[in-house]
Amino acid sequence: DGGITQSPKYLFRKEGQNVTLSCEQNLNHDAMYWYRQDPGQGLRLIYYSQIVNDFQKGDIAEGYSVSREKKESFPLTVTSAQKNPTAFYLCASSISAHRLNTEAFFGQGTRLTVV
Amino acid sequence: EDQVTQSPEALRLQEGESSSLNCSYTVSGLRGLFWYRQDPGKGPEFLFTLYSAGEEKEKERLKATLTKKESFLHITAPKPEDSATYLCAVPHRGDSNYQLIWGAGTKLIIKP
Repeated sequence: DGGITQSPKYLFRKEGQNVTLSCEQNLNHDAMYWYRQDPGQGLRLIYYSQIVNDFQKGDIAEGYSVSREKKESFPLTVTSAQKNPTAFYLCASSISAHRLNTEAFFGQGTRLTVV
Repeated sequence: EDQVTQSPEALRLQEGESSSLNCSYTVSGLRGLFWYRQDPGKGPEFLFTLYSAGEEKEKERLKATLTKKESFLHITAPKPEDSATYLCAVPHRGDSNYQLIWGAGTKLIIKP
């Protein structure tokens, strides 16, 4: 089945620790995205990638980093510089970032909690 | 400033009680509007894309409509399994690329 797989589903981070969230897609999509979702707010874009080895900052990139070494994979690292990382993180993909009149498909999310 | 506003924040209905959810937007040059459904603890699931004012799309008990300023998601005779948060989003042309602007969602609760 084609789709987007995020792992882990739940993640706990200690203060000062970096953690990496995994996102893999087998839809052969060029564009991939990371969003953050907080209660009562719309999804906010962290980073996006239009093609392998290229990515751009979204609206809230501070304290996060990404890589796009393979078309299928777009991992997100939440660094210790992110002061309020507790949130629900969503990975998505679409055929192309330049064709945003086509729908995006989402993974099932990773809930990150700082302990 | 481009933005998307959804109302109401939450809506409680009895099973079978029809209603509508609203998504209003201020975007220059609309390039489409998306509706998604999100269940608790899960990622959004795509429902509809509307491209131009006057367009309508249907799926089971849901019908989405679009005007030049807003979109409605009409729910006819809802069932408890329709309970979810419904999100809308519109493409926004940033400095170099398109991004999506998302509404905060409407939480729909259907009571049996």
